Amino acid sequence: AQSVTQPDIHITVSEGASLELRCNYSYGATPYLFWYVQSPGQGLQLLLKYFSGDTLVQGIKGFEAEFKRSQSSFNLRKPSVHWSDAAEYFCAVGGRRALTFGSGTRLQVQP
Amino acid sequence: NAGVTQTPKFQVLKTGQSMTLQCAQDMNHNSMYWYRQDPGMGLRLIYYSASEGTTDKGEVPNGYNVSRLNKREFSLRLESAAPSQTSVYFCASSDGLGRQVYEQYFGPGTRLTVT
Repeated sequence: AQSVTQPDIHITVSEGASLELRCNYSYGATPYLFWYVQSPGQGLQLLLKYFSGDTLVQGIKGFEAEFKRSQSSFNLRKPSVHWSDAAEYFCAVGGRRALTFGSGTRLQVQP
Repeated sequence: NAGVTQTPKFQVLKTGQSMTLQCAQDMNHNSMYWYRQDPGMGLRLIYYSASEGTTDKGEVPNGYNVSRLNKREFSLRLESAAPSQTSVYFCASSDGLGRQVYEQYFGPGTRLTVT
């Protein structure tokens, strides 16, 4: 069965600093991978997705993620964080029935 | 184009009461899902419906039932609510199942408290 691990429960960065959120997955074949963002009290919004092809994918709000098959990773990055990026971020892998989500990483942004 | 809508947004129940959470999507998606979100546990699949007329159990189905009323609507029913069902419930839809599920689109959630 597929699984997703987000090893960082909580990360704090300063506004303007770079960001990397880690995601490791387990899946038997080439995975479909996703990053979602959830602002407080809101639903989940898709940031970006990887199905195949170029391993560096661009998403909305200036985010990007890199698929590394050898490391079973799909880390999310942003070169310069804005205060509005404070939210919870979920990595997910597509299974046969539904998406399987990691437990999430809460991002705090300091002024 | 409203996407995925859920009602109600908030609900407080007493133990043993029943209620139905409603979900509708206007994207003509075949597949619909119900998840629950609890702190530190991400989203866990309760039930899903691959297509109109079919429903299947997910990871945590106990205490819940679902109805795929038509292609647009997928409801979740708690027959006898328990405090362990206090959670935020999300409905989602996607454009069908293939080898793997494509991206899902989420509703705004229902925050349920059972006292």
